[in-house]
Amino acid sequence: QKEVEQDPGPLSVPEGAIVSLNCTYSNSAFQYFMWYRQYSRKGPELLMYTYSSGNKEDGRFTAQVDKSSKYISLFIRDSQPSDSATYLCAMSARPQGGSEKLVFGKGTKLTVNP
Amino acid sequence: KAGVTQTPRYLIKTRGQQVTLSCSPISGHRSVSWYQQTPGQGLQFLFEYFSETQRNKGNFPGRFSGRQFSNSRSEMNVSTLELGDSALYLCASSRQGQGNPGNTIYFGEGSWLTVV
Repeated sequence: QKEVEQDPGPLSVPEGAIVSLNCTYSNSAFQYFMWYRQYSRKGPELLMYTYSSGNKEDGRFTAQVDKSSKYISLFIRDSQPSDSATYLCAMSARPQGGSEKLVFGKGTKLTVNP
Repeated sequence: KAGVTQTPRYLIKTRGQQVTLSCSPISGHRSVSWYQQTPGQGLQFLFEYFSETQRNKGNFPGRFSGRQFSNSRSEMNVSTLELGDSALYLCASSRQGQGNPGNTIYFGEGSWLTVV
């Protein structure tokens, strides 16, 4: 079983729709959770990061973490064509005096149609 | 400020050759990580360097190696290239390292390697 599972999609929605992107994980040591957005032929950029279970909002984006279910989500409200990209979840365990590697999901390709 | 710069952006190599990719991190960043991205496997961690020392390593064969210089610039090398090494190689820099919350890592645009 892979440490992080993410449905690759593709996901196609009309403009204005609410988008839900999800990842599940198996390693209970993961404490930090991040969402990255990657446009075509570009490097990933950090959208949001969370530490604790619960919700975190940033504009049209909401990140949700449920550690008991080992499940994280990213919601995009009022989706725009400019949101069309691949969304990757990433997570890491608590740093222990050094660096802990990030483990990424494979990414979900999202297309928002005007 | 200037972002993470990777060179070359695109390259084609023949099976059996070797390749060196370069990464210049954001000024002030001491951590440089390398990732391989393929459609089948997604983003996979190769290694991380911090202050010229390899601090973490992924599950890649010894053909993949890297180093970091005193100015934090980093190179990665792949020897005896195989067709399966065709991928986007991404470099990421940060002040402290990957796993620290709030310690944003910034990715470069990557080097597209095609092995024929």
